[in-house]
Parts: sequence; structure tokens; C-alpha cells
Amino acid sequence: DAGVTQSPTHLIKTRGQQVTLRCSPKSGHDTVSWYQQALGQGPQFIFQYYEEEERQRGNFPDRFSGHQFPNYSSELNVNALLLGDSALYLCASSFNRFSNQPQHFGDGTRLSIL
Amino acid sequence: AQSVTQLGSHVSVSEGALVLLRCNYSSSVPPYLFWYVQYPNQGLQLLLKYTTGATLVKGINGFEAEFKKSETSFHLTKPSAHMSDAAEYFCAAPLDQTGANNLFFGTGTRLTVIP
Repeated sequence: DAGVTQSPTHLIKTRGQQVTLRCSPKSGHDTVSWYQQALGQGPQFIFQYYEEEERQRGNFPDRFSGHQFPNYSSELNVNALLLGDSALYLCASSFNRFSNQPQHFGDGTRLSIL
Repeated sequence: AQSVTQLGSHVSVSEGALVLLRCNYSSSVPPYLFWYVQYPNQGLQLLLKYTTGATLVKGINGFEAEFKKSETSFHLTKPSAHMSDAAEYFCAAPLDQTGANNLFFGTGTRLTVIP
């Protein structure tokens, strides 16, 4: 039973570029959330997708956007990259989006901005 | 909005000693609380969760946590540390009262186990 899978593992971009990160949820999960984890900090919530719609959003600018596909997989897009966007981006999936349902995390995509 | 506070960014224990990682939460309603572990260059793995019911929650790898409403605490313990327990530990709670399961994470506690 595959867990949450993310691709790519590592990515290097330069300022101003755009990037797309991908996530496949754990089997049986229909809800996907994205988090940003800067070095030495806890993860920060970016947004959540359920039924192909953004359901909740954290305090991130609209340079950060996403998508969920009919098979529940998801993409995170970041435009006009800044040096401060360098971080580990984590995808989490859950059986539903209610607060008692734990989220299961992938190993993340490490994004470095030069 | 809910939040959690982890006391101690670094904790060192000897192999075989008690592990105690502290987490306090703020909320006026019974929360859902979680502990996650992150090994180097990996994502987060769920250790245990408190939803409702029994206040002593047992998790994986011998860890447990006790929900104490009177102290607004949810400390993580393990009776005997193993070298493989060396990792970063995060306490987390739902981000807000909307009923969604998106999480607010504490700043983390790095556990070092001394042989």
C-alpha cells in the first residue's frame, strides 16, 4: 500500500522562475494539503484541496496556487520565485478533511532558489 | 485559533533514559492533538493522536502522550530511549475552529540520544 508520494525529490530554480510540484495521495484518501517547511522550522499550512476545489488557505500570497485532479492527485505551483521560497514542500493526504482525521505526509520536495 | 507551544528546542537523553518532550496547547474547546516525528531528509510520520476518550494515548515505537486539560498539556514520553529515536518531534493541533484538519505545528524539539 503506497503512501503519499511526491515528485521531484529535489529541485533547483532561479529567482523569477516558476515551479510545479506533484503529489499522489495515499490509497483511499481524497483530501490533499500542502505545507512549506523552512529550514529549522515547523511546517506551515499553504492550502487544502478537496473535490478538486481549494477549501482552505493559509497566509501565503497568490503566487502560490494549486490544483487537484479527478484521481485526487495534486499540484502546487509557485510563480515568480523568491529566494525566501527555498524550503521543503510537504504534501499531506487524509481520508477526509474533518479535524479528527490525521494527515499522512510524503517525504517532500526540497526546493532551492539561486 | 488553536496553537501549540513546544518547550525546549533541543533535548538530550542517554540511551535507556526517559524521554519527555513538552507541548502545551491553547484553546477553549477540547482539541485534537497530534505528535509527528521527522527523521533527517524525510517527511513527517504520525506518532500518535488524541481525539476524544482516553486521555492516555499510545503511539508507535513505544511513545505515549497524556492529554491534561487542567494543565493544557500534551507531553510526549517514552520510558527508555533508543538510538533510533534521534529525530525532530513536532506537536500539532487543528489550525482553527472550522472543523478542517489542517494543522498548526509547534517549532519542534530535536531529540539527541547519547550512547
